[in-house]
Amino acid sequence: AQSVTQPDIHITVSEGASLELRCNYSYGATPYLFWYVQSPGQGLQLLLKYFSGDTLVQGIKGFEAEFKRSQSSFNLRKPSVHWSDAAEYFCAVGGSRDDKIIFGKGTRLHILP
Amino acid sequence: GAGVSQTPSNKVTEKGKYVELRCDPISGHTALYWYRQSLGQGPEFLIYFQGTGAADDSGLPNDRFFAVRPEGSVSTLKIQRTERGDSAVYLCASSSDYPTDTQYFGPGTRLTVL
Repeated sequence: AQSVTQPDIHITVSEGASLELRCNYSYGATPYLFWYVQSPGQGLQLLLKYFSGDTLVQGIKGFEAEFKRSQSSFNLRKPSVHWSDAAEYFCAVGGSRDDKIIFGKGTRLHILP
Repeated sequence: GAGVSQTPSNKVTEKGKYVELRCDPISGHTALYWYRQSLGQGPEFLIYFQGTGAADDSGLPNDRFFAVRPEGSVSTLKIQRTERGDSAVYLCASSSDYPTDTQYFGPGTRLTVL
């Protein structure tokens, strides 16, 4: 069965520091992978997605993620965080047309001034 | 353009009552999804429509939950005999194609069952 694990429930970084949010997935075939962000009172917004091709994916707001098949990982990175990046981040996995998209439990990012 | 809208934004009901939650997708989007997000959890898939038909309803927790999309646009999620455990934020999303297109999420309906 497909599943997503986000091992960090909370992460705190200083403004301007680099960020890496971890995501591990379990899926029986080539996965489709997503990162979403949810700010307080806001809907979920797609940051980036991977379907095929280049394993380093660029997204909005300066985020990127790297698909590593050997590690079943799709970690999200940003070189320098801003206070406005404080939010909850969800990794998700899907597959063929008939598959659901399964979300992880999320990582809440806190930014120190 | 207008995004996905959901009404009501908040719904408080009593245990045992019936509720309807409405989703207006982005115009022209053929795919529509319902998710449920409990406190401290990620969104949990409930049902997926392609056009008017439910292509996958395997996420509906039991037969108290039902969803329709009669004209291939607006969808209604219906919950009968509500229970306190149904309290959650119900999210709707739409996309022009599954799964390669981006799913655009609405702001959600917060359902509280007293």
